[in-house]
Amino acid sequence: DGGITQSPKYLFRKEGQNVTLSCEQNLNHDAMYWYRQDPGQGLRLIYYSHIVNDFQKGDIAEGYSVSREKKESFPLTVTSAQKNPTAFYLCASSTGTSSGQETQYFGPGTRLLVL
Amino acid sequence: AQSVTQPDIHITVSEGASLELRCNYSYGATPYLFWYVQSPGQGLQLLLKYFSGDTLVQGIKGFEAEFKRSQSSFNLRKPSVHWSDAAEYFCAVGHGSFQKLVFGTGTRLLVSP
Repeated sequence: DGGITQSPKYLFRKEGQNVTLSCEQNLNHDAMYWYRQDPGQGLRLIYYSHIVNDFQKGDIAEGYSVSREKKESFPLTVTSAQKNPTAFYLCASSTGTSSGQETQYFGPGTRLLVL
Repeated sequence: AQSVTQPDIHITVSEGASLELRCNYSYGATPYLFWYVQSPGQGLQLLLKYFSGDTLVQGIKGFEAEFKRSQSSFNLRKPSVHWSDAAEYFCAVGHGSFQKLVFGTGTRLLVSP
């Protein structure tokens, strides 16, 4: 089955610790995205990537970092600089055409909690 | 800047009744519009999308939406709601040549027996 997988489903972070959230897709999509979801605020874009070895900051990139070494993988690291990391994190992918007429498909999400 | 407004935070509908969820957007050019649904603790599932053409769009699970440019709206409708439709619904607008999505804050649908 083609799709997007995120792991782990739940993740706990201690103070001062960096944690990495995994996102893998086997849809052969060029573009991948990370969103943060907080209650009552909808989804906000953290980072996105349209091609391997290239990525851009979204609206709330501070305290986060990403890499895109492989087409199918787009891991997100929540650094200790992110002071309020507790949230639900969603990864998405799309074909990545420049027309803009494309659809983003979402993974099941990772819930990050601070101990 | 682009924005999406979903004015209803919660809506309660009786099972079998009709449903309309409101979505208004602010965007200078022709928008690409989406409705997604999210069950608790899950990812988002695409219900339907509008890129161009017919302004009445059909989606999955019996949902439809109508794009009204004059009202900057893209309201979601369903003629008869089922208990399994209880979830949170998000409207989104895409912008830019490499699409970025701006989401509304969501509407939580409760279905009463």
